[in-house]
Amino acid sequence: DAGVTQSPTHLIKTRGQHVTLRCSPISGHKSVSWYQQVLGQGPQFIFQYYEKEERGRGNFPDRFSARQFPNYSSELNVNALLLGDSALYLCASSTTYRASYYGYTFGSGTRLTVV
Amino acid sequence: AQTVTQSQPEMSVQEAETVTLSCTYDTSESDYYLFWYKQPPSRQMILVIRQEAYKQQNATENRFSVNFQKAAKSFSLKISDSQLGDAAMYFCAYRQGSGAGSYQLTFGKGTKLSVIP
Repeated sequence: DAGVTQSPTHLIKTRGQHVTLRCSPISGHKSVSWYQQVLGQGPQFIFQYYEKEERGRGNFPDRFSARQFPNYSSELNVNALLLGDSALYLCASSTTYRASYYGYTFGSGTRLTVV
Repeated sequence: AQTVTQSQPEMSVQEAETVTLSCTYDTSESDYYLFWYKQPPSRQMILVIRQEAYKQQNATENRFSVNFQKAAKSFSLKISDSQLGDAAMYFCAYRQGSGAGSYQLTFGKGTKLSVIP
């Protein structure tokens, strides 16, 4: 079975541009979460979606938005990119939004560089 | 807000030896989960071990075990018989167990583990 897949793997953008990152969860997983991992830090929570509805949002500006599609895949959008948005963006999926026993499965991330 | 602290930015261990990574956390909740994740250079976060707060017994997964001290809010990871493949960043993470809202993970800053042949 395929794991959590993220695309693209690497991306270089210019300040002020817009970017869309994509995530396909494990088959049967209905919840997708997004995390930002700045170099040298632990991941920080951005969004959680379950059954196409937003279940939670971290402390990120409105330039960050996301959505989940009927097939449970998800997009993370970032507008007006800043140099500080350069980071590894991780997607995690789980069967439900609580993911109590089985936990979360992470993808390998998208490395975004803003120049 | 919950916080997770990993006080050891870097650790090293000789192959086949034992190493312990430290983690402390702060929460006012009584129902929660704690996790250790491994992040190798491939970047994918891999779950190493989990602990439910209501369970007094420390979790064990093969060479990996935890020392969970709920009153002290401490959750250390012990790696026995260290192998070269254990070299990676290790993150301690917290997640609420119940209640409203999202169930996001709160991560520490990580500990970089090197294994010396």
